[in-house]
Amino acid sequence: GESVGLHLPTLSVQEGDNSIINCAYSNSASDYFIWYKQESGKGPQFIIDIRSNMDKRQGQRVTVLLNKTVKHLSLQIAATQPGDSAVYFCAENTNAGKSTFGDGTTLTVKP
Amino acid sequence: GAVVSQHPSRVICKSGTSVKIECRSLDFQATTMFWYRQFPKQSLMLMATSNEGSKATYEQGVEKDKFLINHASLTLSTLTVTSAHPEDSSFYICSARDPRLAGGNEQFFGPGTRLTVL
Repeated sequence: GESVGLHLPTLSVQEGDNSIINCAYSNSASDYFIWYKQESGKGPQFIIDIRSNMDKRQGQRVTVLLNKTVKHLSLQIAATQPGDSAVYFCAENTNAGKSTFGDGTTLTVKP
Repeated sequence: GAVVSQHPSRVICKSGTSVKIECRSLDFQATTMFWYRQFPKQSLMLMATSNEGSKATYEQGVEKDKFLINHASLTLSTLTVTSAHPEDSSFYICSARDPRLAGGNEQFFGPGTRLTVL
């Protein structure tokens, strides 16, 4: 079945550096993708989304890149801060509006 | 805006009892609500999708008679874990969607409910 997965389970970066979190998806029919941040014991928090008719979308300190050719999604966080430490999930939405979540990458920011 | 609450945030119960978890959209009308389960260090797994006034649609492998979902109003959905057992211990998260908000695709997540079955 379709799945969304992440390449690396953990990522450790130095404060101030840029972070890149990757995600591979398998459903070529997916047309909407979202990145979520989840802190321990809390629900997912929306970070940024992108539709399949776009290659790149920028937010505040975050950029999402979508490569439909290889079914790859990435989240770039600029000037990573300790408050960015969390688990990051990518998710893809089907036409029914259901979200399929990837496995998650734990980002640790070292001071 | 677009706030979703869950109650309780944490519950401990004895094996064999039933537990009800509430999910409320506080400032918007949630035509669709989703229930997820998350085990430690794992991803969110969708359990069911519920539309207001309709029966919930359960994902494969999720027992509908064990996880009762009611979505009786546009702001409230409940998940009842019946005859809970220790293996049901998990983090239960709901989300809500209003097609009139944020392009219609975005889900707004609750803070989760930690269920521990002794």
